[in-house]
Amino acid sequence: AQSVAQPEDQVNVAEGNPLTVKCTYSVSGNPYLFWYVQYPNRGLQFLLKYITGDNLVKGSYGFEAEFNKSQTSFHLKKPSALVSDSALYFCAVRDMRGSARQLTFGSGTQLTVLP
Amino acid sequence: KAGVTQTPRYLIKTRGQQVTLSCSPISGHRSVSWYQQTPGQGLQFLFEYFSETQRNKGNFPGRFSGRQFSNSRSEMNVSTLELGDSALYLCASSGGTGAGVYFGTDTQYFGPGTRLTVL
Repeated sequence: AQSVAQPEDQVNVAEGNPLTVKCTYSVSGNPYLFWYVQYPNRGLQFLLKYITGDNLVKGSYGFEAEFNKSQTSFHLKKPSALVSDSALYFCAVRDMRGSARQLTFGSGTQLTVLP
Repeated sequence: KAGVTQTPRYLIKTRGQQVTLSCSPISGHRSVSWYQQTPGQGLQFLFEYFSETQRNKGNFPGRFSGRQFSNSRSEMNVSTLELGDSALYLCASSGGTGAGVYFGTDTQYFGPGTRLTVL
């Protein structure tokens, strides 16, 4: 079975400071990892994904994520946070072993960027 | 390209009724997945369709069903509604292009959701 953990329900950061939203995963095969962001009363917007290759993945709006296989982590980062980054962030995993193709999501992390 | 569209955006029903939600994927996408989002359970996978065939199904009762049409549009139906079915229902589409080949690596793009309230 595949699972995702986002250990922090809430992350607060000052505008202009770097931000990190943590994610760890568990799969039996190779993981495909995704980050999505959700603004109030909206669907999920795709930020970035890791399939294979370079462990540092760059995505939309200046976000990046680092895949660490030994620590089974895929933390989302941004060098300088903006107030407009305040939203709910979801990490998701898909295990390519077996026939299942659905995404399994973490519980979400509410990011608040303080002006 | 237009994004994923879902109709209706908001719906209020009473217990025991049934409801049908609709999803139109991004043009050219052939795979549609459905998810339920609630404050208590988070995002949970319902089912996935590709080329009118159900590929995967989540752990939901048989009251939840879906289908996909030849134009890739999808509908999901919930019969005998319960209070606990109140949720945001999200549809996601992904490519699955290439002569009918099904790629699990495709990115899923989400619609705005349908907010269902069961009274």
